[in-house]
Amino acid sequence: DAMVIQNPRYQVTQFGKPVTLSCSQTLNHNVMYWYQQKSSQAPKLLFHYYDKDFNNEADTPDNFQSRRPNTSFCFLDIRSPGLGDAAMYLCATSSVAAFNEKLFFGSGTQLSVL
Amino acid sequence: QKEVEQNSGPLSVPEGAIASLNCTYSDRVSQSFFWYRQYSGKSPELIMSIYSNGDKEDGRFTAQLNKASQYVSLLIRDSQPSDSATYLCAVRSGGSNYKLTFGKGTLLTVNP
Repeated sequence: DAMVIQNPRYQVTQFGKPVTLSCSQTLNHNVMYWYQQKSSQAPKLLFHYYDKDFNNEADTPDNFQSRRPNTSFCFLDIRSPGLGDAAMYLCATSSVAAFNEKLFFGSGTQLSVL
Repeated sequence: QKEVEQNSGPLSVPEGAIASLNCTYSDRVSQSFFWYRQYSGKSPELIMSIYSNGDKEDGRFTAQLNKASQYVSLLIRDSQPSDSATYLCAVRSGGSNYKLTFGKGTLLTVNP
């Protein structure tokens, strides 16, 4: 019954080694988001897609990229992870970008950088 | 910079008491307000949403919104140990229907 699925649940990478996190959804939602949440901090929006339209937050580092090959899948690529990129990465979806539309979150991927 | 502020806590209440969680926001044109519960190591789970001034009740939870004061709160009645979690306030601004801005969260501990 999982609706927003993130893989893997835990990811360990080495400093500077590219890593890709994946998210899939069975809800057929238009909008997909990637949030970064560090320990005891607020989730921080990195970027979102409305269908194929990509929207980057102004303060998202260039080290972070995203791809959405189809409605169901979205990927977060970290080109050269640094120690400061260790965090929980949360994927979320919503059906339309309406003010009252709620977000459906995946279970998150906890990224460790060694 | 549009901000959402919460008291980080921890807030500790005895079982059966009322827990009161508060949140202020800076963007006056914010349209919608959400409370999420997050257990340690888990993703946020929606508890309540509120869009109009006043109170909204759902079971043991009551959300209160005062747009003039830019203030939103969550009351949890008859608190249970299973309510122990971090509660995140999230605000969607009027300028964008996409972006949900979260506060840092308040850690609530309910003591048996």
